[in-house]
Amino acid sequence: AQSVTQLDSHVSVSEGTPVLLRCNYSSSYSPSLFWYVQHPNKGLQLLLKYTSAATLVKGINGFEAEFKKSETSFHLTKPSAHMSDAAEYFCVVSDRDFNKFYFGSGTKLNVKP
Amino acid sequence: NAGVMQNPRHLVRRRGQEARLRCSPMKGHSHVYWYRQLPEEGLKFMVYLQKENIIDESGMPKERFSAEFPKEGPSILRIQQVVRGDSAAYFCASSNPGTSGSTDTQYFGPGTRLTVL
Repeated sequence: AQSVTQLDSHVSVSEGTPVLLRCNYSSSYSPSLFWYVQHPNKGLQLLLKYTSAATLVKGINGFEAEFKKSETSFHLTKPSAHMSDAAEYFCVVSDRDFNKFYFGSGTKLNVKP
Repeated sequence: NAGVMQNPRHLVRRRGQEARLRCSPMKGHSHVYWYRQLPEEGLKFMVYLQKENIIDESGMPKERFSAEFPKEGPSILRIQQVVRGDSAAYFCASSNPGTSGSTDTQYFGPGTRLTVL
C-alpha cells in the first residue's frame, strides 16, 4: 500500500532563507513521487516529479527534491524563500499504474518579510 | 493549450438538492480523475474514468455519488441529496498515459467549491 506523511503541518521562514518541507513515503515498490503547490483558493500546480531517473529532481521556481530510498524520504527544498512561495505544499505518491495519487496532509508555508 | 477546466468554481446547494460538477480535461487527454478535499486535509481519490468507462471507483461513497465521462462532453460528478458533510472542494485531474512527457503526471483543474447550507 502507498502512503505519504508530511511531517510538518506548518513551516514559517523568513524571506531569503532556505526552505525545507519534509515528506516520507511508504510504498510496496519503486514509487513515483510528486510535489504540488496550492495557492489559496486555487488549483494545484506541479512543482516537480521523481520517476526513477535522477534522484535529485529540479522543479519550477527554484525548488528541488531528493529521493532517498534508504530513508524513504522525498524532502522539498529551496535555497532562498520568496514571499510568493507562501502556499500549501502537497507530497504525493502514485500507485503502480499512476491511476491513483495518494496525497499527504499538506504543509502550509509562511514566508515572513 | 488550455488546462483542465472545471465549472462552476463555486456551487451552493441546500440539503437534499443535487449538485453537478463538470470537468473538461486538457486537450488530448482521455483519462479523468476526481478528488475531494475536505477543509484542512489533503486530497482524497474518488474515481478514475476513461471515455465511457469507470476504471476505479474505490474512493466513491457507496450512495448518492456518481460519475461519468461520456464520449462527447465533459466528465460529470453528480451528488444527489446533498448533506452538509459533502461541503468540500472537488478537484478534477486529467492525464494521457502513453504520450511522451505525460505518462504519469496528472494535471489539476482549479476545483469546484461546494457549500451545502
